[in-house]
Amino acid sequence: EVQLVESGGGLVQPGGSLRLSCAASGFTFSSSWMHWVRQAPGKRLVWVSHINYDGSDIIHADSVKGRFTISRDNAKNTLFLQMNGLRVEDTAVYYCVRGGPLGTNWGQGTLVTVSS
Amino acid sequence: QSVLTQPPSASGTPGQRVTISCSGSSSNIGSKTVNWYQQLPGTAPKLLIYTNNQRPSGVPDRFSGSKSGTSASLAISGLQSEDEADYYCAAWDVSLNGWTFGGGTKLAVL
Repeated sequence: EVQLVESGGGLVQPGGSLRLSCAASGFTFSSSWMHWVRQAPGKRLVWVSHINYDGSDIIHADSVKGRFTISRDNAKNTLFLQMNGLRVEDTAVYYCVRGGPLGTNWGQGTLVTVSS
Repeated sequence: QSVLTQPPSASGTPGQRVTISCSGSSSNIGSKTVNWYQQLPGTAPKLLIYTNNQRPSGVPDRFSGSKSGTSASLAISGLQSEDEADYYCAAWDVSLNGWTFGGGTKLAVL
């Protein structure tokens, strides 16, 4: 059974940092493109970033470019999202998503709340 | 504001056929394939249709997708109460150099 389990969310003040993790199992993680997608409360889905198999192809959405960094550890079957300079508008549930195609599998999400 | 435009709501009665539209441009739907997702209340989204009209294993054939030009559609036939959910379209946008989602359509089964 495919599982994607996110962790690392929580409450942080504006300007702060968080590191999200996603533990993957049940599929060949090292052969899969991976994504982060977020959803603010009651709002639409928004793609955040993706990373290819070996981390050589990374793209971030303009809204997070220069602040967020996606990475992966294939030896540990884990996806990361380092989030710096957090803003109130970054408040959302962050989903770890398997690609090939986008959305093949989704985690349960982890809530990030940016507030003073 | 979303790059892909969906109607905010749709509705139908059990057994009916409903369609949900997704309008884009030449930089996304017009040149790339479209995926559709279903999000049941309080849950993570689920892939419903990929590459315009392909169903992942386990998705009933009541769900179908199509694309023409810069627009795409999701059709649900034999509507059931458990189909009540939010539906999103998505496509890669070559101008944005990233994935873009529609604003979502809330489907009510009356």
